[in-house]
Amino acid sequence: DTEVTQTPKHLVMGMTNKKSLKCEQHMGHRAMYWYKQKAKKPPELMFVYSYEKLSINESVPSRFSPECPNSSLLNLHLHALQPEDSALYLCASSQTGTGELYEQYFGPGTRLTVT
Amino acid sequence: AQKITQTQPGMFVQEKEAVTLDCTYDTSDPSYGLFWYKQPSSGEMIFLIYQGSYDQQNATEGRYSLNFQKARKSANLVISASQLGDSAMYFCAMREANTNAGKSTFGDGTTLTVKP
Repeated sequence: DTEVTQTPKHLVMGMTNKKSLKCEQHMGHRAMYWYKQKAKKPPELMFVYSYEKLSINESVPSRFSPECPNSSLLNLHLHALQPEDSALYLCASSQTGTGELYEQYFGPGTRLTVT
Repeated sequence: AQKITQTQPGMFVQEKEAVTLDCTYDTSDPSYGLFWYKQPSSGEMIFLIYQGSYDQQNATEGRYSLNFQKARKSANLVISASQLGDSAMYFCAMREANTNAGKSTFGDGTTLTVKP
């Protein structure tokens, strides 16, 4: 099973709302990622969790707050977003270990619109 | 300097023909991996093929093969016998073992359109 699931598929939120994106994988991967992707652009890395600990934060604004409750789940909490935050948010997972040269498995993404 | 360069914003291919998508990279890390991903319009990124910097042979995976020329720092994706379902955006990506650990660098992508 190489599936990463993400909910919701679509989300429309106002600038004062609080919402959360969820991601789940059952491949036993210990590295999980959040990416932001604008139309026709490559994905931009936001956060990396390794063994449930935040290992990389790519200077993401604090209105995005990641959380890794366990080795299978990854959340992204959203608060006071701006219209420019509208994008496709992709979650991914991979094996982890010395060298880190493992492929990533992506979920289908959440299309976020901030009004 | 951009680490992954995909010079073809868009490509067209006739159904059942082969197509090559170009990717060049730049790194000083001797240990790295090169990846190709497919992203249909639905949004999900699908892993296609992997080439390690120390691999002696070009990677192949079904209709996908990677033309790896280490000295030229190129890792082109070859899709044989194109199908309509191959129409998508394709990203080349790199991970370095000793620098930028845990990160993937993506190229800007190539949009492939397969014509019937």
